[in-house]
Amino acid sequence: RKEVEQDPGPFNVPEGATVAFNCTYSNSASQSFFWYRQDCRKEPKLLMSVYSSGNEDGRFTAQLNRASQYISLLIRDSKLSDSATYLCVVNRVGYALNFGKGTSLLVTP
Amino acid sequence: DGGITQSPKYLFRKEGQNVTLSCEQNLNHDAMYWYRQDPGQGLRLIYYSQIVNDFQKGDIAEGYSVSREKKESFPLTVTSAQKNPTAFYLCASRDPEHSYSGANVLTFGAGSRLTVL
Repeated sequence: RKEVEQDPGPFNVPEGATVAFNCTYSNSASQSFFWYRQDCRKEPKLLMSVYSSGNEDGRFTAQLNRASQYISLLIRDSKLSDSATYLCVVNRVGYALNFGKGTSLLVTP
Repeated sequence: DGGITQSPKYLFRKEGQNVTLSCEQNLNHDAMYWYRQDPGQGLRLIYYSQIVNDFQKGDIAEGYSVSREKKESFPLTVTSAQKNPTAFYLCASRDPEHSYSGANVLTFGAGSRLTVL
């Protein structure tokens, strides 16, 4: 089983739609989780951390389910500019991170 | 503005040649990383360094070498021993302001695309 698994998509949604991505992780001892955004041929950038109690940042909501070992990202009122690849990231012991392969989102007019 | 500068942005290499990718940061961050990304793949860790003059192998270190002689600089050499070097290489540093124990927030450079002809 891979450390971090994501549905690669692509998810094609119209503007204004709500879309959700899930991610599963294999190490039950993992403590910290993140979502990064990566635009085509660019570097990844931190979108948001995922806290145990769930957290929201504007149109974005992240949730963690430790019992089932999955993380979710919900995007409400999708914008064209949300089109990107969303990477699920799980902290490893020490200084390193495990990255998922990413979920591709395309928001259409 | 503070940030991470990677150079060159694009690089072409003949088989059998070594090549060095530059990574410089002016963020005063201690920890730095090198990741590799292949199309449709997640980022894979090559090497990381927690402090000057110290570095550790990541998951795919074979065929690569690094040095950390200065805090600001963490160059990566792709040697001829690397069997499939064509990839997008990303350098990153750990942001201590937003990281905490067990949670590492990384800032990435813009990347270097290496193509072996």
